[in-house]
Amino acid sequence: GAGVSQSPSNKVTEKGKDVELRCDPISGHTALYWYRQSLGQGLEFLIYFQGNSAPDKSGLPSDRFSAERTGGSVSTLTIQRTQQEDSAVYLCASSLAYLNSPLHFGNGTRLTVT
Amino acid sequence: AQKVTQAQTEISVVEKEDVTLDCVYETRDTTYYLFWYKQPPSGELVFLIRRNSFDEQNEISGRYSWNFQKSTSSFNFTITASQVVDSAVYFCALSELSTDKLIFGTGTRLQVFP
Repeated sequence: GAGVSQSPSNKVTEKGKDVELRCDPISGHTALYWYRQSLGQGLEFLIYFQGNSAPDKSGLPSDRFSAERTGGSVSTLTIQRTQQEDSAVYLCASSLAYLNSPLHFGNGTRLTVT
Repeated sequence: AQKVTQAQTEISVVEKEDVTLDCVYETRDTTYYLFWYKQPPSGELVFLIRRNSFDEQNEISGRYSWNFQKSTSSFNFTITASQVVDSAVYFCALSELSTDKLIFGTGTRLQVFP
């Protein structure tokens, strides 16, 4: 069956440009998470959605970061005016319900800001 | 505060050795869930196990076993008779009923040499 799909798989952008990262969760999964993994680092929580609402946005690093989810399905993470420190792998995960359900991860989007 | 500590940054072993990956967590909640995920060189995170805070029974799955001890706030992972294919980064994670987000440790990189 289809897993979590993220696009693009790689993105190179110039400093100051905006980027949009897309996540297609597994069909029927109500919870959706975004994490950031910098080179050799752990997973940094960014935001999670339950349905279309985001109860916890505390992990977003700055107001340049925003995310939305529509129709309880696809989610987009937008980074405005990208900076070099934004370079990382952005991982999306989905689950049937939050907390006690295992997360299914996508392969991530590797973002490089030059 | 919700926190997961994996003090071992990197472990190297020779095939067939047993290895234990440590995980210590902090939480104020009485209801919480602990997880282990594996991230092989290919990059995609794979769910290994979930435990809830009310179930301290140790679990064994093939060569993998997990030791959950609430008295020491630890959830350690042991691989018996390690194999080269076990080489990966292993992450411990915690979710609390009150905060609705899954927090990961910084991971332990395991290298198994033939």
